[in-house]
Amino acid sequence: KAGVTQTPRYLIKTRGQQVTLSCSPISGHRSVSWYQQTPGQGLQFLFEYFSETQRNKGNFPGRFSGRQFSNSRSEMNVSTLELGDSALYLCASSSPGGTNEKLFFGSGTQLSVL
Amino acid sequence: GNSVTQMEGPVTLSEEAFLTINCTYTATGYPSLFWYVQYPGEGLQLLLKATKADDKGSNKGFEATYRKETTSFHLEKGSVQVSDSAVYFCALRADSGGYNKLIFGAGTRLAVHP
Repeated sequence: KAGVTQTPRYLIKTRGQQVTLSCSPISGHRSVSWYQQTPGQGLQFLFEYFSETQRNKGNFPGRFSGRQFSNSRSEMNVSTLELGDSALYLCASSSPGGTNEKLFFGSGTQLSVL
Repeated sequence: GNSVTQMEGPVTLSEEAFLTINCTYTATGYPSLFWYVQYPGEGLQLLLKATKADDKGSNKGFEATYRKETTSFHLEKGSVQVSDSAVYFCALRADSGGYNKLIFGAGTRLAVHP
């Protein structure tokens, strides 16, 4: 069974641009969560989607948004990039039932903002 | 609000030494508690979990006991190996409406030398 797949693996952008990251969950998983990992702030929850609906959101500005498609694949978008958005963005999926506690993480997308 | 505090690293040990990584939490109610491990260049993997007071989670020789009286979930291993070198994260999930929103500690880097 394939794991959680995130693309691209690395991304370099400049300030003011926008970026879209993609996450394909494990087959059959309906929940997809996104986390930002930085050396200074550690791992912080961005948002979670379940059956195409956002059901939980962290404390990030509106520049950070996401969506989930009917096949459970998810994208997150960051508009008007700032230097502080440089981070590893991790996606995680979980099994049907929605509240299962085991999250399966992808290897992440390393975003560098210049 | 909910938070997790874990000991700062790096922790440097010789092979076969005893490992303890301290983790304490602040949360209302009865959160679920987790230890995740991150190897270089990879996403996070669930190491073990506990969902109620006095539960002991265990996996691959690692153990942690959910202590509500001391709000702690310390990670232990009797004999570490070089392959255990990684970053370890303690995390909690709130007991209501938490879904897959995890609150992580800052992470503790473990380096094991032969």
